[in-house]
Amino acid sequence: GAVVSQHPSWVICKSGTSVKIECRSLDFQATTMFWYRQFPKQSLMLMATSNEGSKATYEQGVEKDKFLINHASLTLSTLTVTSAHPEDSSFYICSARRAGELFFGEGSRLTVL
Amino acid sequence: AQRVTQPEKLLSVFKGAPVELKCNYSYSGSPELFWYVQYSRQRLQLLLRHISRESIKGFTADLNKGETSFHLKKPFAQEEDSAMYYCALRIMNRDDKIIFGKGTRLHILP
Repeated sequence: GAVVSQHPSWVICKSGTSVKIECRSLDFQATTMFWYRQFPKQSLMLMATSNEGSKATYEQGVEKDKFLINHASLTLSTLTVTSAHPEDSSFYICSARRAGELFFGEGSRLTVL
Repeated sequence: AQRVTQPEKLLSVFKGAPVELKCNYSYSGSPELFWYVQYSRQRLQLLLRHISRESIKGFTADLNKGETSFHLKKPFAQEEDSAMYYCALRIMNRDDKIIFGKGTRLHILP
């Protein structure tokens, strides 16, 4: 099946710093990728839809200046958490769609101290 | 509003017993529904989708538009079915995205 990879898998940072998470589709091109956030033992919350070559579409309540998304190529989308705070600590998961099916990355755990 | 509801956070079932994971949705358009599964320490993966009408690992799900439900069923639970199950709905308006229910943890008892 299609492979989506995220990097880093875990990052710990100090409060106030910015962190970038990469999402790559390894064996297919994805014009659209999705970023989800998952709290412990809770569901995935869709944060934004990342569109190659255009601006991301953010869900209601998600701060676009806080969570910067860039989809510069057909195989790479990045999520940058700017000025991270402890409440941003979470598990961030990206996915890409291929033939109507979503393929998920392994997730990136962000811990903000 | 578009919404996916999974009323059970945790479902414990004995091995060999039938399983039913409930999912209800709210959507004004023509629904496209999925079940995703996440086994321990693994990434989310698609289990089945209603448009393909197939059975995967013994699981089936029927879309009931009248009851706005898409319950996941398996006649005989197996220990390897223990996992987190998410019902998902594809939203196709000006956007094209997939939203998830809160998930149900299925625990198969030996």
